[in-house]
Amino acid sequence: DVKVTQSSRYLVKRTGEKVFLECVQDMDHENMFWYRQDPGLGLRLIYFSYDVKMKEKGDIPEGYSVSREKKERFSLILESASTNQTSMYLCAAAGRLAGELFFGEGSRLTVL
Amino acid sequence: AQRVTQPEKLLSVFKGAPVELKCNYSYSGSPELFWYVQYSRQRLQLLLRHISRESIKGFTADLNKGETSFHLKKPFAQEEDSAMYYCALMRASGSRLTFGEGTQLTVNP
Repeated sequence: DVKVTQSSRYLVKRTGEKVFLECVQDMDHENMFWYRQDPGLGLRLIYFSYDVKMKEKGDIPEGYSVSREKKERFSLILESASTNQTSMYLCAAAGRLAGELFFGEGSRLTVL
Repeated sequence: AQRVTQPEKLLSVFKGAPVELKCNYSYSGSPELFWYVQYSRQRLQLLLRHISRESIKGFTADLNKGETSFHLKKPFAQEEDSAMYYCALMRASGSRLTFGEGTQLTVNP
């Protein structure tokens, strides 16, 4: 099975801080995704990447940026965290079998 | 733009009862539909996809293009089925998934 690892399970940050969420996958998959998961809203796509140094905006990219310098690593960056970015963030990877996403355990971010 | 709707946020049934989790979608093309499941304290994972036409853990789902629905069904629910279920849609030309709001299923003993 693909292993997707999110480095931080729980983070508490203050408004205005810069936040990095790291995600690493070990199966050489081309596609990687960042979603946020909120009760009643489901999963919403923030950004995705289909190759190294390539990125595309998802449905809610405002306030976020991403970096994919290596195939196995996809980072989500909050330049200036705000309280409405308090959420569970899920990273996922997918290979050629489109539609089958392998998810990490999630990073729960609280912005005070 | 595509959209996935799961009208029930919470669903509670008794063990042994049939269960149906509803999913409706809007998309003008030919989508692929999926069900994902997240058990307590576990990762979100793929349960089944419509093109496979298979039964996983007793669950089945049929794509109804006329009604634009992809409901998940199981004839006899088990307590271990309690989880959050998400319906998802993928456009024919892409790899990104659009998820619904999710349905929290609770199977009572």
